[in-house]
Amino acid sequence: EAGVAQSPRYKIIEKRQSVAFWCNPISGHATLYWYQQILGQGPKLLIQFQNNGVVDDSQLPKDRFSAERLKGVDSTLKIQPAKLEDSAVYLCASSLSRDRGANEKLFFGSGTQLSVL
Amino acid sequence: AQKVTQAQTEISVVEKEDVTLDCVYETRDTTYYLFWYKQPPSGELVFLIRRNSFDEQNEISGRYSWNFQKSTSSFNFTITASQVVDSAVYFCALEPRSTDKLIFGTGTRLQVFP
Repeated sequence: EAGVAQSPRYKIIEKRQSVAFWCNPISGHATLYWYQQILGQGPKLLIQFQNNGVVDDSQLPKDRFSAERLKGVDSTLKIQPAKLEDSAVYLCASSLSRDRGANEKLFFGSGTQLSVL
Repeated sequence: AQKVTQAQTEISVVEKEDVTLDCVYETRDTTYYLFWYKQPPSGELVFLIRRNSFDEQNEISGRYSWNFQKSTSSFNFTITASQVVDSAVYFCALEPRSTDKLIFGTGTRLQVFP
């Protein structure tokens, strides 16, 4: 079974530039998550999709971050314009369903490491 | 507050030693789930275990074991006879049923030396 695919693996940009990350979840997984992991910290949820709809984006800095999952499969996360504090690893995860009480677990991709100079 | 505390930032052991990673959590929910994830150098988080708040039975899986104690709000993870391949960052996480959101601790970096 193929895992969660993310690209690019690394990205270096200057502040105020824009950047986009791509995620392809495991086939058949309805729920997709984007997490931000700053160095030395645990991942923090940015946004959660159920199929192509947003379930939770309460922690997404909407003035500069946007995400979409138009066809309910792959997803892109964009930052425009980037700030120094956006330097982090951006992890994508997917699960079969949203109901975590049904013993579902998240499958994570390897992440995109973003450095903003 | 809903939070997870992993007080140990980094632990170093020599192969074959036993090591325990501590996790303390806070939540106002009576129903919640606790997780451990492993993050090897490749970056992806690998699921290790999930427990619900009503099941305090300890669990053993090979060299891994978990001790869940509601009385002390702790969910500790022990690796017996550690191996170099166990070197990774380990995250404890809490998912309160009221939010269905994973709250991660800051992680413990485990280095196992040959």
